[in-house]
Amino acid sequence: QVQLVQSGAEVKKPGASVTVSCKASGYTFSTYGISWVRQAPGQGLEWMGWISAKNGYANYAEKLRGRITMTTATSTSTAYMELRSLRSDDTAVYFCARYSRVEPAAMFDSWGQGTPVTVSS
Amino acid sequence: EIVLTQSPGTLSLSPGERATLSCRASQNIGSTYLAWYQQTPGQAPRLLIYAASSRATGIPDRFSGSGSGTAFTLTISRLEPEDFAVYYCQQYDSSSWTFGQGTKVEIK
Repeated sequence: QVQLVQSGAEVKKPGASVTVSCKASGYTFSTYGISWVRQAPGQGLEWMGWISAKNGYANYAEKLRGRITMTTATSTSTAYMELRSLRSDDTAVYFCARYSRVEPAAMFDSWGQGTPVTVSS
Repeated sequence: EIVLTQSPGTLSLSPGERATLSCRASQNIGSTYLAWYQQTPGQAPRLLIYAASSRATGIPDRFSGSGSGTAFTLTISRLEPEDFAVYYCQQYDSSSWTFGQGTKVEIK
């Protein structure tokens, strides 16, 4: 079965960077994309961007451009999300999700367990 | 940017009752890229519905979606105890995804 397993909780100081990993199994990694979504405490879901595991093309949410980089390693079926210049309002649970197509529709059909990131001085 | 507005914010119902959740888009988004997710406390979201009305794999048929254009509905025909959760609609447009703010379905 499809599984996405994320790296563990992180605590960072303002201005630092964080990298969260997402290891996929149960499907052919390169034939799907990976999207990243975050959820601040008590808040809703915020889409951050997505990356094609086939060709590395990435598209980021406008508010995060310049601070975020998504990459993939097909040899290990792992996706990474790096967020730089962290601020307190980046404190959230970060989810990866498989970006799937059932033509012509698209959806996030499997999700990682979430990685809490706390930004605090 | 297209904004999705969900209503009501909270729905208080009893097990066995019918739940009707609304999602309105600020512009016409057709139906292809409208999805619904369920999230229980401490868990990741789970895909319920895609393309406005297609159930995802393994989703019980008490969940149904409808609508197109700017108005969409998620209906749970008879609430089971595990259905009390927060529900989000999601849309894709111009290379960007957005979520609604969520509707909480709570036990009355």
